[in-house]
Formats: sequence, structure tokens, C-alpha cells
Amino acid sequence: EIVLTQSPATLSLSPGERATLSCRASQSVGTHLAWYQQKPGQALRLLIYAASNRATGIPARFSGSGSGTDFTLTISSLEPEDFAVYYCQQRSNWPPLLTFGGGTKVEIK
Amino acid sequence: QLVEAGGGLVQPGGSLRLSCAASGFTFSNYEMNWVRQAPGKGLEWVSYISSSGSMIYYEDSVKGRFTISRDNAKNSLYLQMNSLRAEDTAVYYCAREYCANGVCYSDFWGQGTLVTVSS
Repeated sequence: EIVLTQSPATLSLSPGERATLSCRASQSVGTHLAWYQQKPGQALRLLIYAASNRATGIPARFSGSGSGTDFTLTISSLEPEDFAVYYCQQRSNWPPLLTFGGGTKVEIK
Repeated sequence: QLVEAGGGLVQPGGSLRLSCAASGFTFSNYEMNWVRQAPGKGLEWVSYISSSGSMIYYEDSVKGRFTISRDNAKNSLYLQMNSLRAEDTAVYYCAREYCANGVCYSDFWGQGTLVTVSS
């Protein structure tokens, strides 16, 4: 079973700053990794799929990188609406089981 | 759009049936998942069903207690939950799986329905 470890657990930043979130897999997942944003009371929002592809409608300030076991989600300049919890996720080839990281909360400093 | 319903307060050992109504896309073309989130905790995958319903998988802690199903004619996904335990307390989300070129990801989520198991 693949384990995803996200760090840090909490990131305290100010609007306009750069956010760098990490997700490490216990074994290689290639580029089969996605990133999601969660805000209270809202549906989860897909940000990045296949490690580095922005989903439809996602602003260019969000970018993903990495392959194998180490992945990064970068928010180049935080907007007020970006303060939220972010999860990485991978899906095994077969059976199609989903695994999530523990999440990183990006909070206003 | 994905809209979950059926959550509520239930006693330990009780049952609930969750539903997820899909609209705005061809439901029968998509694999679906149920994912849950305990209060203040992270996301946990619960169950998967293929687009036709022929393939089904469960997380180990719910095997034998939960049953996933779908009715493509009604654009609906279901989760029958029996023998509920306190640790099943969570918000339950349905999520659509999009697969292309060998890559799959959960591209669309409902807002969730809260299940509370307590006496």
C-alpha cells in the first residue's frame, strides 16, 4: 500500500507570498498524482492532475511538479481565496484504490 | 453536479443508505468513488464502482458492512451502510473519476453528507 506524506502540516503565509507544499510517496507513483483544494462547506476542487497539469479553470499561479516519489504544489503568489487545505492523492493502477495525503493547511499569517 | 443525500444521526449497529444524484454529464460513462472525512481529519477512500457496476472495491474497514451500487438509468450512486460504528462518523463525498490516456483522477466532487453514529 502506498502512503502519501504531506509537509508541512501547516503553512503560515501572507497574501502575495509564495507557497510550496510537498507530497512524498512511499514508493514510486510515476506521475499519477493529483492535488486538491478544500475550503469549509465547499466541494473539493481538483487543481492539478498527472503531477503537473492544471485542471480546467485553475489559475496559472498554481503549478505542480515532480515524479516518482517527490511532488510539489506551488502557489506563486497567494491570493486571499487560496487560504485552504490542500491534499495530494494517487490512484493505484489496479485495483483502483485512492490514497490521500494528510493535508497541508495554508493559513493567513 | 453531484448532490449527496441520506446522511443523519444513527445509533451504533444501525443502517443508512446514502445517495448521490448526478447531473450535467453522462453518468454511465464514469467510474465513481465514495470518500469520507471524519470531523477534523483528512480524506479516506471508502469504495469504488466501475462505470457499468461490474467492478467494485472497498476499503478494508468497511468490507462486509457497506455496499456500493449505481443505477445508470437514474443517474444515481448509492452507499448502503450497515452495522455502523462510531468510527464511521464522517462527511461522505461522492466523486467522479475521469480517466484519459491511462491517467485517472477525481475531477468532480459533491459537497458531502454528514453521517453521525452515536447513541
